[in-house]
Amino acid sequence: DIVMTQSPDSLAVSLGERATINCKSSRSVLYNSNNKSYLGWYQQKPGQPPKLLIYWASTRESGVPDRFSGSGSGTDFTLTISSLQAEDVAVYYCQQYYSTPPTFGQGTKVEIK
Amino acid sequence: QVQLQQWGAGLLKPSETLSLTCAVYGGSFTTNSWSWIRQPPGKGLEWIGEINLSGRTNYNPSLKSRVTISLDTSKNQFSLNLSSVTAADTAVYYCVSGGVGATRMDVWGKGTTVTVSS
Repeated sequence: DIVMTQSPDSLAVSLGERATINCKSSRSVLYNSNNKSYLGWYQQKPGQPPKLLIYWASTRESGVPDRFSGSGSGTDFTLTISSLQAEDVAVYYCQQYYSTPPTFGQGTKVEIK
Repeated sequence: QVQLQQWGAGLLKPSETLSLTCAVYGGSFTTNSWSWIRQPPGKGLEWIGEINLSGRTNYNPSLKSRVTISLDTSKNQFSLNLSSVTAADTAVYYCVSGGVGATRMDVWGKGTTVTVSS
């Protein structure tokens, strides 16, 4: 299995400040045929299913605010919230869907400082 | 916009079979694949398996011996069976649009809480 490791496990950021979450995969999740990394980012609030924010490492899902951005390729990825809002308090997960089984990072809890 | 509605028994005894069904509304059923994912209480996410429109299945090796995912194209539904459940199978189970190699896993059902207890 591809192991996904997120850092940090938790993060406290002031409102309006930048939040950065890192995700590292134990093997590359880059498809050479289309040059896409099969890496997604999700936001999960208590009692709700995960919500897709980013797919293919950097493509923002429709309707997701543009303060959310993803970057990286191959094995190293980053989710950035450019200006943290109160409604962004949640747990964030990265996921590779390149190979079976798709695997998730352990999650990063984002809170307001 | 695709919506997923899921249902199934929420309380099981050890050794019983978990059965959940997910109905697809409001969009094409002809997406690449359909997955099941679970989340134990207070823990992370685990992919269980997927099925595509042709009925080809792909399971997590850790659960493969106990999992069956099936498709009913006439009803736009897909289902999960997990046999011989134990307390370790207690989790919220989600049906999800997408799977391995898909563009994305974008639409999630609301989740079904399944508790295994004697």
